[in-house]
Amino acid sequence: AQKITQTQPGMFVQEKEAVTLDCTYDTSDPSYGLFWYKQPSSGEMIFLIYQGSYDQQNATEGRYSLNFQKARKSANLVISASQLGDSAMYFCAMREDSWGKLQFGAGTQVVVTP
Amino acid sequence: NAGVTQTPKFRVLKTGQSMTLLCAQDMNHEYMYWYRQDPGMGLRLIHYSVGEGTTAKGEVPDGYNVSRLKKQNFLLGLESAAPSQTSVYFCASSYSHSIDRGGTDTQYFGPGTRLTVL
Repeated sequence: AQKITQTQPGMFVQEKEAVTLDCTYDTSDPSYGLFWYKQPSSGEMIFLIYQGSYDQQNATEGRYSLNFQKARKSANLVISASQLGDSAMYFCAMREDSWGKLQFGAGTQVVVTP
Repeated sequence: NAGVTQTPKFRVLKTGQSMTLLCAQDMNHEYMYWYRQDPGMGLRLIHYSVGEGTTAKGEVPDGYNVSRLKKQNFLLGLESAAPSQTSVYFCASSYSHSIDRGGTDTQYFGPGTRLTVL
C-alpha cells in the first residue's frame, strides 16, 4: 500500500510567489519522521527539511517551511518567494523504523516562471 | 570532505552481464542504503546496511546483492542484468537511527548511477 501520497504531479508558479506542495502519509507508528528532498534536473537529491512526529512546532529552513498537520497526516511543503532555481522535482519521504529506511512519494514537478 | 560518492556515473550493460556499483562515504556514517529511481516514481529501497558486515533487504531486493566489508563502502551487485533493472541508482548514508535526533539523521545521497541494460 502506498504510504506517501503526493497528489500534484506538476505545478507552475510565478517567481516571487509562494507555492505549497501537498504530502499525505499513512502510518500507525507513533514515532516517525518526514522529509522533503529536492531533485533538480542535474539529478542529485538535496535534503530540504525534516519534521519529527513529536515536534511541537512546524519545521522551517530559510524559505522552506513544513505545514505539519498530524491528525490529518499531512506534511505540506511551503516554498516562499519562489526563485527560478527552485524549478525541480520535490519528493516527500517518511521514515518509520529505527533503521532509517525511507519511503518516498512519486514527487511533484515544480516549474518557476519569470 | 567528499560526502557520498558513487562509481560509475553511467553504465550500459547487455542482458546477462554482471557489474558492481560502488558507494563510498567519508562521514563515518553507520547506515547505508541503495535505492533505485524509475521514471514517474519516487525512490525505492533495494538493500540497506546498519553497520559493517551487516546487510538487509529492502522493498525491491530481487536480482541484487550487496556487501559492506568496510564501514565506508557499500557495494551493489547485479549478477545477471535484466532490462527491468534499467534505472538510476542512488546510494545514501546516515549517522544514526534515532528518529528523535531530527535532521541529524538525514540521509545524504550520492550523485546517482544511470544504468541501462540492453
